[in-house]
Amino acid sequence: DSGVTQTPKHLITATGQRVTLRCSPRSGDLSVYWYQQSLDQGLQFLIHYYNGEERAKGNILERFSAQQFPDLHSELNLSSLELGDSALYFCASSLGDQETQYFGPGTRLLVL
Amino acid sequence: LAKTTQPISMDSYEGQEVNITCSHNNIATNDYITWYQQFPSQGPRFIIQGYKTKVTNEVASLFIPADRKSSTLSLPRVSLSDTAVYYCLVGDRSSNTGKLIFGQGTTLQVKP
Repeated sequence: DSGVTQTPKHLITATGQRVTLRCSPRSGDLSVYWYQQSLDQGLQFLIHYYNGEERAKGNILERFSAQQFPDLHSELNLSSLELGDSALYFCASSLGDQETQYFGPGTRLLVL
Repeated sequence: LAKTTQPISMDSYEGQEVNITCSHNNIATNDYITWYQQFPSQGPRFIIQGYKTKVTNEVASLFIPADRKSSTLSLPRVSLSDTAVYYCLVGDRSSNTGKLIFGQGTTLQVKP
C-alpha cells in the first residue's frame, strides 16, 4: 500500500459525459501528479500540482482539467468524454518536486 | 521532442541477473532517473532512483554513465515474482516545462 488513495476504483459512463476522479496524496506529500495509461499510449504524464499550484503540464487535453485543493487532495475532471478516453488514470504523490513518486491504485474508466 | 526508449520485452530464468537499459537523450539537467515496476491492474511501484554514477538498494542497482543519456536497471537473481513491466521515468529538457516522460515499458518474463 503506497498510501495514495484514488476514488472511484471503476467508472463506467457514456460518451459526452463528464466525470471527476479524486486523489488523496500520502500524508505530508505536497506534490500530486496525474497519469493516463492506455494500451496503445502507455503511461502518459498529464499534469503536476505542487502545494495547490500547477507546476507542469504534459499531454493533457483541453477537455481535461485538474486542481489541487488546500487540503492537498486533487481532482481530475474529464468532460465531453470520448471512447478513446477509456483508460487507467493514476495519481501519484511526492514530498516535493524531485522526490520519489508513489502511485495510487488507479481509476479504471470505461466510456461506452 | 524527447524520447525515452526501452526494449519492449526480455526473458530470463530464475536466479539470473537481469539488466534493462533505458535511453533518454534529452534528459533535463536537474532531473533524476527513476525506475518503476508494474503488475497488471496495479499502480507502478518505485524500485530505485538516481542522478549519476551508481545507486544500490535492497532490490536493485542503477547504473548511470557520466553523460546521463542512458541508465541501466540491474535486478540481481530474479525470481518468478519479478515478472512484471519495468518503466524508466525522466524529465524532458526539450520542453523545459517539467514534463515527465515514461519509457514504453519493458515486459520481463522470468521462467523457472
